[in-house]
Amino acid sequence: GQSLEQPSEVTAVEGAIVQINCTYQTSGFYGLSWYQQHDGGAPTFLSYNALDGLEETGRFSSFLSRSDSYGYLLLQELQMKDSASYFCAVSTGNTGKLIFGQGTTLQVKP
Amino acid sequence: SAVISQKPSRDICQRGTSLTIQCQVDSQVTMMFWYRQQPGQSLTLIATANQGSEATYESGFVIDKFPISRPNLTFSTLTVSNMSPEDSSIYLCSVTSSDEQFFGPGTRLTVL
Repeated sequence: GQSLEQPSEVTAVEGAIVQINCTYQTSGFYGLSWYQQHDGGAPTFLSYNALDGLEETGRFSSFLSRSDSYGYLLLQELQMKDSASYFCAVSTGNTGKLIFGQGTTLQVKP
Repeated sequence: SAVISQKPSRDICQRGTSLTIQCQVDSQVTMMFWYRQQPGQSLTLIATANQGSEATYESGFVIDKFPISRPNLTFSTLTVSNMSPEDSSIYLCSVTSSDEQFFGPGTRLTVL
């Protein structure tokens, strides 16, 4: 089967750093992406890793280790507006199809 | 990037009826994707819609229940047929552009 595992909930305080892990087991792997979804909103793209290593985009970074079937999303200098659900997703081919993890609810406290 | 609009944004429907959801993209794309997100859950791919060919459905989804049209490279529709309360979900269309996946705002469907 195909599965992605990520923590269901994470809590952190403003200004802190938080890491959301994602392990995957899929038939085929093309890349790992991360999405943010606020309550009532659509998912928005955050980052994409096709190769091992760290990708940095502002306060957000994403890491991938293909040999470990593992990645993470790192959020720095947390702000209240970062409170949302975060989903990792695997592309199993170059078709654009995604398999999503169950999502991690991040709560940022003052 | 891609800008996606969906109609309707929300609807409340009676059991046994059907609803057609429209998805419009501001650029031409080869493939469009339809996802379902049940309350408090993650996104599940329903089908991939290619222009000029039949949609490809994922395991657990069938054409009779979720017929899809793709008349051109910027538009697609998803119909939820013979609805039951279990179909209450957010339905999202999506496209890929430069390794990024863009989602429409979603259609929030409630079936009574």
